[in-house]
Amino acid sequence: GAVVSQHPSWVICKSGTSVKIECRSLDFQATTMFWYRQFPKQSLMLMATSNEGSKATYEQGVEKDKFLINHASLTLSTLTVTSAHPEDSSFYICSASIGRRNEKLFFGSGTQLSVL
Amino acid sequence: GQNIDQPTEMTATEGAIVQINCTYQTSGFNGLFWYQQHAGEAPTFLSYNVLDGLEEKGRFSSFLSRSKGYSYLLLKELQMKDSASYLCRRNTDKLIFGTGTRLQVFP
Repeated sequence: GAVVSQHPSWVICKSGTSVKIECRSLDFQATTMFWYRQFPKQSLMLMATSNEGSKATYEQGVEKDKFLINHASLTLSTLTVTSAHPEDSSFYICSASIGRRNEKLFFGSGTQLSVL
Repeated sequence: GQNIDQPTEMTATEGAIVQINCTYQTSGFNGLFWYQQHAGEAPTFLSYNVLDGLEEKGRFSSFLSRSKGYSYLLLKELQMKDSASYLCRRNTDKLIFGTGTRLQVFP
């Protein structure tokens, strides 16, 4: 099956620094990538949808200047958390879809971000 | 709207049967997925229903009623390893997940 590689798996950073998370589709071309955030004991919350070569579409309440998403190629999408604060500590996970209606969804392994 | 509701938490004992419900708004419906997610891990696909009725897959079955905007995941012969969160999502362009149900299985 299709594989989505997400790195890093976990990161600890100081408040005010920026953190970049990468998601790569290893054996298929991901025209659409979805980024989620998940707080403890909560469901996945969609942050943004990114299409290769165009600007990401952010969900209501998600600051696009704080969570920078780049999808420059069909196999790589990145999420950069800029000027991270403790409240940004969360589990971030990407997923790539295959199919016009996103019938098949493949997830990265997730990144646990802890901001001190 | 995209409201997809699930019970927040459920508990059950090993060997028992548990049913996890999911209700959603019916407009523009194109199918419903169920996923299992262990803490700190990615969700894994369990089932996809697009037609009414029950689909059985080993110990896990999924039911759908399109007219009622209702689905459930049925887990039989519960095992300790089934303790996880269970998420439903509609098959739409926007990949919105349900609120998620945390299931705890006790010996």
